[in-house]
Amino acid sequence: QVQLVQSGTEVKKPGASVKVSCKASGSTDNYIHWVRQAPGQGFEWMGWISPNGFGTNSAQKFQGRVTMTRDTSISAVYMEFKRLTFDDTAVYYCARQNTASYHFDYWGQGTLVTVSS
Amino acid sequence: DIQMTQSPSTLSASVGDRVTITCRASQSIGSSLAWYQQKPGEAPNLLIYQTSTLEGGVPSRFSGSGSGAEFTLTISGLQAEDFATYYCHQYNSYSWTFGQGTKVEI
Repeated sequence: QVQLVQSGTEVKKPGASVKVSCKASGSTDNYIHWVRQAPGQGFEWMGWISPNGFGTNSAQKFQGRVTMTRDTSISAVYMEFKRLTFDDTAVYYCARQNTASYHFDYWGQGTLVTVSS
Repeated sequence: DIQMTQSPSTLSASVGDRVTITCRASQSIGSSLAWYQQKPGEAPNLLIYQTSTLEGGVPSRFSGSGSGAEFTLTISGLQAEDFATYYCHQYNSYSWTFGQGTKVEI
């Protein structure tokens, strides 16, 4: 059974950085994506990291602020997000890209990141 | 980016109703469309992918159809546990975008 377990709630000040982890169990040799959801809003795709961790791609909006890394030895993926603003307050999800199709078949439980002064 | 437009944004229905949600893409996405259900405080749950393929364990009252740029999610015989928000998601050509959601309420 595939499970993605994310790190806990974070509260950050504007300008700070946050690093969210996503630990996979079950089948772990997949692209992992990061998606965020602001309060009461829809989903916004942020980027992906390849199975070996050597490839990443992020949405143009987040380029320069987001860094995705992967530790294959412990099946963990990390998303570091820099220079946070109040508008970055959201729940951040990791999601597994299905091997055969490109949809997201498993999601982490989400990590609430609150940016507050 | 491919824009996804869902309608309606809110839908009022009763248990037993048949409901239909529409999702339109700003350009053709072939069959690269998924539907998710989200309940408050929870992560999205995959219902349908490749337009019409039901994810394992999802009740057969959920069905999807369409192609190109227009897609529908139908729930035949709404159950109490189906009151939630539904999102379409396109994953064509190495891009990923979502509709803004349809809240199905009592």
